[in-house]
Amino acid sequence: RKEVEQDPGPFNVPEGATVAFNCTYSNSASQSFFWYRQDCRKEPKLLMSVYSSGNEDGRFTAQLNRASQYISLLIRDSKLSDSATYLCVVNRSGYSTLTFGKGTMLLVSP
Amino acid sequence: NAGVMQNPRHLVRRRGQEARLRCSPMKGHSHVYWYRQLPEEGLKFMVYLQKENIIDESGMPKERFSAEFPKEGPSILRIQQVVRGDSAAYFCASSRNQGDMNTEAFFGQGTRLTVV
Repeated sequence: RKEVEQDPGPFNVPEGATVAFNCTYSNSASQSFFWYRQDCRKEPKLLMSVYSSGNEDGRFTAQLNRASQYISLLIRDSKLSDSATYLCVVNRSGYSTLTFGKGTMLLVSP
Repeated sequence: NAGVMQNPRHLVRRRGQEARLRCSPMKGHSHVYWYRQLPEEGLKFMVYLQKENIIDESGMPKERFSAEFPKEGPSILRIQQVVRGDSAAYFCASSRNQGDMNTEAFFGQGTRLTVV
């Protein structure tokens, strides 16, 4: 089983739609969780950290379920500019490096 | 405050040549991480370095690949005798302290290596 698994998509949604991505991780020792965004042929950039209690940043909501070892990202009121690949990222306790999922591609159309 | 700088942005090498990829971390950052992204794949950790030290090279292929981060100058990822399978985007990230990747990793724009 891969350390971090995501549905590759693509998810095709119209502007204004709500879309959700899930991600599962295999290592129960994982301690830190993030969603990164990567535009085509660009570097990944941090979208948001994921906290145990769940957290929201504008139209974006992230949740963590440690018991089931999955993380989710909800995007409300999708914009054309949200089109990108969303990377689920985890970090194990005591390790200074990040483990990336392959990403889920989102395409928002007019 | 310039971000993480990588050069070259694009590099073309013939099979058997050497590739040298450079990464200058953000000002004040002394920890550098190299990742590789193959086409249609996720980012894979390669190596983590501090100034003059390799901390974790568990993701580095055993042969042909090496990395350094000298006291002065950028970090260098060196690939000897390149093969077509080395074609990928190589990203560098930096942090101020060990463990800062737990908060945010700042990535450079990457070097796209094409082996022909």
